[in-house]
Amino acid sequence: DADVTQTPRNRITKTGKRIMLECSQTKGHDRMYWYRQDPGLGLRLIYYSFDVKDINKGEISDGYSVSRQAQAKFSLSLESAIPNQTALYFCATSGKGLTGELFFGEGSRLTVL
Amino acid sequence: GQQVMQIPQYQHVQEGEDFTTYCNSSTTLSNIQWYKQRPGGHPVFLIQLVKSGEVKKQKRLTFQFGEAKKNSSLHITATQTTDVGTYFCAARGSGAGSYQLTFGKGTKLSVIP
Repeated sequence: DADVTQTPRNRITKTGKRIMLECSQTKGHDRMYWYRQDPGLGLRLIYYSFDVKDINKGEISDGYSVSRQAQAKFSLSLESAIPNQTALYFCATSGKGLTGELFFGEGSRLTVL
Repeated sequence: GQQVMQIPQYQHVQEGEDFTTYCNSSTTLSNIQWYKQRPGGHPVFLIQLVKSGEVKKQKRLTFQFGEAKKNSSLHITATQTTDVGTYFCAARGSGAGSYQLTFGKGTKLSVIP
């Protein structure tokens, strides 16, 4: 089983709908992240959390919210989805320290019509 | 925020040829990481460079960190079809509040058999 699991893996929805992407991890890491990937734009940070009580905005947080329900769970919500939020979303985790590598989930492909 | 330029965006090589991707920052970095994303997959950590002028090798892959810690490169010797994918650098700044990794836009490598 994957150490970082994302659900759903694929989702098609309509403009204005509320969408939640979920992430769970078995690595025991405190730090969790949500990234968005668009063709030619690399990976951009949406939100990150260093522990259950710590939530921080990333580079492109507008239109998104997150919830850290437990150390192992970090969910990303789109309150009212719009077409330019169509993208591939990755959850990632890392251990403590400034030099921690990121461990990515397999991605959630979201299409907003 | 931290800006990281990665070039080229695409590279097509004949199997057996060498390949290099470059990552440049206008500011001094504390460290830089490299990731590989296979087609349809998720980014996977390759290596981290921390010291000025550092060179690390992994089989046919050679990673370098510039003396000024503002640039880095990944060189693949004698490419194989298994090298296909997108290579990303991810840089961490050295100033206060610059903890987060900033990803380059990636170099997509195609290997022609």
